[in-house]
Amino acid sequence: DTEVTQTPKHLVMGMTNKKSLKCEQHMGHRAMYWYKQKAKKPPELMFVYSYEKLSINESVPSRFSPECPNSSLLNLHLHALQPEDSALYLCASSQGFLDLHYGYTFGSGTRLTVV
Amino acid sequence: QKEVEQNSGPLSVPEGAIASLNCTYSDRGSQSFFWYRQYSGKSPELIMSIYSNGDKEDGRFTAQLNKASQYVSLLIRDSQPSDSATYLCAVNNQAGTALIFGKGTTLSVSS
Repeated sequence: DTEVTQTPKHLVMGMTNKKSLKCEQHMGHRAMYWYKQKAKKPPELMFVYSYEKLSINESVPSRFSPECPNSSLLNLHLHALQPEDSALYLCASSQGFLDLHYGYTFGSGTRLTVV
Repeated sequence: QKEVEQNSGPLSVPEGAIASLNCTYSDRGSQSFFWYRQYSGKSPELIMSIYSNGDKEDGRFTAQLNKASQYVSLLIRDSQPSDSATYLCAVNNQAGTALIFGKGTTLSVSS
């Protein structure tokens, strides 16, 4: 299995809602990432998990809360988002936290719209 | 702030031509360099990686790296309309813990 699976593919939520994005990989990768990408912009790093522990938080607002229940799963919990948080949220995995030799495998992304 | 720079384009080439995409990076300590292709509304897909100075060829794609000039390029030979996409250059950050992406170059191949 060489895929990273993200669900849902599309999500529309109100500013008072709570929702979660899910990401799953079965490649035995030990590092997982959340990136945010707005239109015509590069992906921006949000969080990095290594061996299920949060290793990097790029000063992301607390309305985004990551969780790594096990080595294959990564969640992003969303609460009280703003319209400017609307973006494509990308999950990625790599062989290891300090092993980027093979780059990332990206999931298909979740297109989030906050209304 | 360590950066990866790309011309945003659009770069327009006719079908069958060579497309040349360029990228510069600011961190001399970077060791791993990648090119991702991203179709509109889709996620990035890895197409090439390069780690040593020189050229690396894979089918119609050739990646070139010059660490002294802090320059990475991607050549696409015999360009096809299906190559029309945004090409993202990515470089490992100084700590080696994540990839930093350039803004991407939009390529349009006309038939």
